Formats: sequence, C-alpha cells, structure tokens
Amino acid sequence: ETGVTQSPTHLIKTRGQQVTLRCSSQSGHNTVSWYQQALGQGPQFIFQYYREEENGRGNFPPRFSGLQFPNYSSELNVNALELDDSALYLCASSLPVLDYNEQFFGPGTRLTVL
Amino acid sequence: AQSVSQHNHHVILSEAASLELGCNYSYGGTVNLFWYVQYPGQHLQLLLKYFSGDPLVKGIKGFEAEFIKSKFSFNLRKPSVQWSDTAEYFCAVGASSGDKLTFGTGTRLAVRP
Repeated sequence: ETGVTQSPTHLIKTRGQQVTLRCSSQSGHNTVSWYQQALGQGPQFIFQYYREEENGRGNFPPRFSGLQFPNYSSELNVNALELDDSALYLCASSLPVLDYNEQFFGPGTRLTVL
Repeated sequence: AQSVSQHNHHVILSEAASLELGCNYSYGGTVNLFWYVQYPGQHLQLLLKYFSGDPLVKGIKGFEAEFIKSKFSFNLRKPSVQWSDTAEYFCAVGASSGDKLTFGTGTRLAVRP
C-alpha cells in the first residue's frame, strides 16, 4: 500500500509568482485535503476535494485554488505569492465511510517566498 | 466554528517521567477527536482517535487519551516517556459529518535521556 506522496519537497519562489504543488493520495482514497502549516503553528485547513469537486474550504483567499484528477491525485495552486505564504503545505487523503474520517498525511512541501 | 486549544507549548521531561498534554476544544456538535505526532523530519502520524464509545482511548506507543465531554477536553497521557517520544504533538477535532480537521497550535515535547 503506497502512502501519500507530495512533490516537490522544497520550493523557493519570489513574491508575485505562481506555484503548483502536487499530491498523490493513498491507494483507494478518494478524498484529498490540503493544509497550510506556518512555522510554530498547527496545520490550517485550506480546502478539500472529493471525487474531483471542491468539498469545503477554509478561510483562504481565492488565489488558493485546487484540482483533483480522476485518479484522485490533486494539485494546489497559489497565485500572486505573498511572503506570508511561506509555510509547509500538507496533503492528506482519506476514504470517508460513515463518520470515520481518519486522514493520512504526506510529508509536505516546504514553500519559501522571498 | 471549531477551535482547539493546547495550553502547553513546550514541555521538557526526563525519561521515565509521566506525561499529560492538555487539549480543549470548542464545537457545538458531535466531534471526532485526534492526536497526531510529528517526529523530527517526519510527517504527521496518527497517535490515537476517538469517535464514540469508551472515552478512554488507547493508541500506539503506549499513549492514551481521555475524552471528558463535560469539560470539552481530550488530554493525552503516557505513564513513562522515552527519549524517542521527542516530537511535536497536535490535538485535532473533526466534525462527524465531514473530514475537515481543526488543529491546535501543537506542543513541542523534549525528553532528556
């Protein structure tokens, strides 16, 4: 069973640029959630995708957008990068069954915005 | 809106000491409760979870947590810590009807050998 994988591991961008982060969900999982973890903070929910549709969004501006593909992998896109976007971006996959919503996290992509 | 509060930001213990990390949450409905651990250089891993039933939950590596509904608390405990327990610990809450998790700010635990 393959776990959640994310790419790239690290990324450095400059303010105003755009970035795309990628996530492959754990085998059999159809739901992907994205989180932002700033330094010294807990992860904050960005949004979730279920069967290729956005299924909930946290308090993040529209320049944070995403996609989910038929194989349930996902992308997180951030436009017009700001310095405060520097963080660890975590992807988590799950297979919601009734009320069971355990999420499995990937290693994250560390984004630095200069 | 959900919120999670972890009162201990940094904890330093000697090996064999007992551990208790506090977690309080705020949410109006039925919740699922989680403790995740992040070892240095590794990704978030689930320690234990509570969905329903026995409020005393046992997880991996000798950890346990007790759900006290009247106090909106889900404190993590371990009777005797080891150096390998050095990590950051996150409490999280999820609504039973969806997957979104709300995390606390984390507690950084350092165990001295």
